[in-house]
Amino acid sequence: DQQVKQNSPSLSVQEGRISILNCDYTNSMFDYFLWYKKYPAEGPTFLISISSIKDKNEDGRFTVFLNKSAKHLSLHIVPSQPGDSAVYFCAASAKGTYKYIFGTGTRLKVLA
Amino acid sequence: GAVVSQHPSRVICKSGTSVKIECRSLDFQATTMFWYRQFPKQSLMLMATSNEGSKATYEQGVEKDKFLINHASLTLSTLTVTSAHPEDSSFYICSASPTAPMDEQYFGPGTRLTVT
Repeated sequence: DQQVKQNSPSLSVQEGRISILNCDYTNSMFDYFLWYKKYPAEGPTFLISISSIKDKNEDGRFTVFLNKSAKHLSLHIVPSQPGDSAVYFCAASAKGTYKYIFGTGTRLKVLA
Repeated sequence: GAVVSQHPSRVICKSGTSVKIECRSLDFQATTMFWYRQFPKQSLMLMATSNEGSKATYEQGVEKDKFLINHASLTLSTLTVTSAHPEDSSFYICSASPTAPMDEQYFGPGTRLTVT
């Protein structure tokens, strides 16, 4: 049972345009969400997080939006840069726990 | 930022042997460390959670006698894959949490295990 889903395995975007990565979840107990970036053969690097009390969090070129009613979150990267090319994982955890449940990842390719 | 290291980065071992992977928090004390594995093109799956000085908590379906975890200090956790088989070949990643459990986890670079 995949509680965190990233339905797009890959995405290609032109440099300078917006990248939108989507993530859906099924567990209504999740209240903390994170996005990680991962290069091949490396560990994930934290990008940005959002608590369920918010619907938006912004950090530079990265913005995460949370729609609790739809159980959906998205990561916007604007403007996209070639160095953003990587696999992006969303993760979620439930209040009172420390376990992260990861999605399957979306491979972003930013074309120069 | 917080740095987590893993050693070795790659290891190849023969079927039936045991392999130990180390995870260290370099510039902070980690009350909790986590071990994940990732199969190609799949998600990171949490295997177990270890707290310094206590027994690890394993996720459902993870054999505790096969994947031995020791969290001997606030900066070191080890994962030993015992009697390794080819199906254990995977990318093993640790993470560490510096303070409260709900803080972000900082991930190590991972260890590629290949069992021949």
